[in-house]
Amino acid sequence: GESVGLHLPTLSVQEGDNSIINCAYSNSASDYFIWYKQESGKGPQFIIDIRSNMDKRQGQRVTVLLNKTVKHLSLQIAATQPGDSAVYFCAEILTGTASKLTFGTGTRLQVTL
Amino acid sequence: GAVVSQHPSRVICKSGTSVKIECRSLDFQATTMFWYRQFPKKSLMLMATSNEGSKATYEQGVEKDKFLINHASLTLSTLTVTSAHPEDSSFYICSGRGASTDTQYFGPGTRLTVL
Repeated sequence: GESVGLHLPTLSVQEGDNSIINCAYSNSASDYFIWYKQESGKGPQFIIDIRSNMDKRQGQRVTVLLNKTVKHLSLQIAATQPGDSAVYFCAEILTGTASKLTFGTGTRLQVTL
Repeated sequence: GAVVSQHPSRVICKSGTSVKIECRSLDFQATTMFWYRQFPKKSLMLMATSNEGSKATYEQGVEKDKFLINHASLTLSTLTVTSAHPEDSSFYICSGRGASTDTQYFGPGTRLTVL
């Protein structure tokens, strides 16, 4: 069935470096994507979103890139900080229906000092 | 951003009892609320979708008589785990979505432990 997956289960990054978390999605009809951050024992926290009519969107220290040709999504975190350590999930939505989220498997980001 | 709360954050109960978890949208009206279950080191699994004033729509494999969902107002949804068993132990997370958005905002989750 349709699924959203991540290339790397764990990413270790040194503090101050940039992080890139990747996600592949398989439903070409999905038109809305969200990145969530989940810290241990907490619910997912909205980070940034992007619609399929865009290729790039920037937030505060984060950038999401969408490549519809290869169905690939990435989250870039600039100047990674210890507080960025968490599991990051991408999620895809086909809007106009029940707009249910399909989550990827998650990538754990470990920030080393 | 939109804020969603859950209560309780943690609950321990005996096998065979029922447990109710509340999900509240604090600063927006959640016309749709979702309930998820998450196992350790796994992604979120959607259990059901509920629209205010309507019956919940359950995902395949989720027992509607075991996981009772009520969405009586635009700011409150409840999940009741009936006749809980140890295999129901999990992290339950709700999310809310407003009428004019596709974005879901999540609650902090409820850790259920059934002894």
